[in-house]
Amino acid sequence: DVVLTQSPATLSVTPGERISLSCRASESVDTYLHWYQQKPNESPRLLIKYASQSISGIPSRFSGSGSGTDFTLSINGVELEDLSIYYCQQGNSLPYTFGAGTKLELK
Amino acid sequence: QVNLLQSGAALVKPGASVKLSCKASGYTFTDYYIHWVKQSHGKSLEWIGYINPNSGYTNYNEKFKSKATLTVDKSTNTAYMELSRLTSEDSATYYCTRWATTGSYWGQGVMVTVSS
Repeated sequence: DVVLTQSPATLSVTPGERISLSCRASESVDTYLHWYQQKPNESPRLLIKYASQSISGIPSRFSGSGSGTDFTLSINGVELEDLSIYYCQQGNSLPYTFGAGTKLELK
Repeated sequence: QVNLLQSGAALVKPGASVKLSCKASGYTFTDYYIHWVKQSHGKSLEWIGYINPNSGYTNYNEKFKSKATLTVDKSTNTAYMELSRLTSEDSATYYCTRWATTGSYWGQGVMVTVSS
């Protein structure tokens, strides 16, 4: 199974700053890497698909990059509503797998 | 609009089975696979498997092959997941979700609690 390692596990942020979250795959997943945001007691929400493709309705401050084994989710100007957990997920090979998540908290 | 409506929370006894439902609306049910995902409390997400509503073909995560059974009822646009021989390890929130190149839609999730 493809293991996705997310770092850091927790990130303390200040509103307005630019941040980057990392997701590394144990083997190449090409660009079949997706990013989700999950708030408490809510279903995951897709933020970025296929590593860098935007999703309708998602604020433009969210962007993704990478291919192969190294991926990054960036938030350009963190807002308070962004405080949640972020997961990466690979859809390149079965079984599909998720990372352990990165939690954004207020500094 | 696309909507996946899941059945309500379930409290079940160890050793029993439970069947969860996911009713789809707002699109052609047979055009997209339905996936199921498990999330234990405070933990990450695990992919259980998917079903092709058109053919009934299923593909399971090896970890869940003896635990979950996926079916559909095309007449009611409903997908089902039956979980068998439940233990405390199966206590979790379960999501049905539709993944496509255009994006994804998720049900609201259903919490299953296994307790005597």
